[in-house]
Amino acid sequence: NAGVMQNPRHLVRRRGQEARLRCSPMKGHSHVYWYRQLPEEGLKFMVYLQKENIIDESGMPKERFSAEFPKEGPSILRIQQVVRGDSAAYFCASSPSDSREAFFGQGTRLTVV
Amino acid sequence: RKEVEQDPGPFNVPEGATVAFNCTYSNSASQSFFWYRQDCRKEPKLLMSVYSSGNEDGRFTAQLNRASQYISLLIRDSKLSDSATYLCVALNTGGFKTIFGAGTRLFVKA
Repeated sequence: NAGVMQNPRHLVRRRGQEARLRCSPMKGHSHVYWYRQLPEEGLKFMVYLQKENIIDESGMPKERFSAEFPKEGPSILRIQQVVRGDSAAYFCASSPSDSREAFFGQGTRLTVV
Repeated sequence: RKEVEQDPGPFNVPEGATVAFNCTYSNSASQSFFWYRQDCRKEPKLLMSVYSSGNEDGRFTAQLNRASQYISLLIRDSKLSDSATYLCVALNTGGFKTIFGAGTRLFVKA
């Protein structure tokens, strides 16, 4: 049973480009969380999704950021018109329900140059 | 006020020491609690769940006090390999999200 898979592991984008981060949850997990971690800082909740639904996006910046978890395929975190301040590690986690512990992917390290 | 607050750290301890981490949560609706460990530039990994009755796993003991909204992690006989950041986590099923504390760094030195 593969763990949470994130790709790419490293992503470099120029300012103004779009970044797409993918997350495939563990088999049987229908709950997906996205977190951002800035260098030397803790994890910050961004969004919580179930299949085809955004349950809580209170941690998402109001502009340029969006997330989806379609019926088929991975969850996608999309950042439009990236800026230097978007450089961070983005972690995805999945759980089988909303009352169980979450398991993390290895993260995508986004660098905006 | 942050929903989950932890000791700021870092904690610098010698091998063999006992170290305790504290954590408080503000949302009384939080249902489940966990400690995660995160090594430098790696993903967080579940260390242990936290129950009201307290639970122990080898050198690690976790406690939950719902009345005080307080969680603790005790590490006995620290090893060099325990050096990491320890994250306190509260799961609020009412709000459907898992809240992580900022983490406490532990450095165990020979």
